[in-house]
Amino acid sequence: QVTLKESGPGILQPSQTLSLTCSFSGFLLSASSVGVGWIRQPSGKGLEWLATIGWEDVKHYNPSLKSRLTISKDTSNNQVFLKITSVDTADTGTYYCAHRGVGGYFDYWGQGVMVTVSS
Amino acid sequence: DIVLTQSPALAVSLGQRATISCKTNQNVDYYGNSYMHWYQQKPGQQPKLLIYLASNLASGIPARFSGRGSGTDFTLTIDPVEADDTATYYCQQSRNLPPTFGSGTKLEIK
Repeated sequence: QVTLKESGPGILQPSQTLSLTCSFSGFLLSASSVGVGWIRQPSGKGLEWLATIGWEDVKHYNPSLKSRLTISKDTSNNQVFLKITSVDTADTGTYYCAHRGVGGYFDYWGQGVMVTVSS
Repeated sequence: DIVLTQSPALAVSLGQRATISCKTNQNVDYYGNSYMHWYQQKPGQQPKLLIYLASNLASGIPARFSGRGSGTDFTLTIDPVEADDTATYYCQQSRNLPPTFGSGTKLEIK
C-alpha cells in the first residue's frame, strides 16, 4: 500500500526559506522508473507542478521557479525534501507530494500540507 | 510549456452523461501513447488519478469513468453521473517537461 505524507512549517514570513518533507511508504525510490513529485495549489485555484526527483537522482524543476527550488531525497529513510527560497505571499497554498508513475502521471498523492506566507 | 485548456464548469443531470474536454496546444502523443491523464479533486481533498495515458482506468476507479482522445483533443466521460461525482476534474500532460495541468472543470450534478 503506497502512502505519502507531507510536513512543513505551516506559516512563515516573506523572504524566508520554505522546507517541506514528504515521508512515504509502500515503494522504494531506489527502484527503476520511480519518482516523487511536488505539486502545489493556491487556495481555490489550480494545480502547479514544482519539481520531481527520480530513482536515479535525476531532478527536474518548473522553469518558472527553478532558481528558488531544490529537491532532494533520503532513500534510506523514504523521504523527499523540497526547499523554496525567498518565499512571498504568492507561495501560500497547499503543497502535495505524489508518486510518479512510469508514464509521468501522479498515481498516489499525499493529503497535502497547508503553507501560509504572511508577515 | 504545453498549455491545456478546459471549460471552467459543467452541469449535468443525475444519471446522465458528463463529457469533459481538454485541448492542448501541442501534440502529446509519442510512440503510440498519448501522455494525457485525468484527476478528480473533491473539496478539501487531494487529487485522485482517474485515467492515465488517455484511456487507461486507474486502479479502483469505477468503469463509469472513461477517457479517450489523441494528439491535442481529449475527453473524460462519466456515464452515468452520480451525486458523488461533484468535483473539479483536471487534465495533465506528461509528454514534455514541465508537466502541466489544465485549469480544471467544475462538475455540478443537477
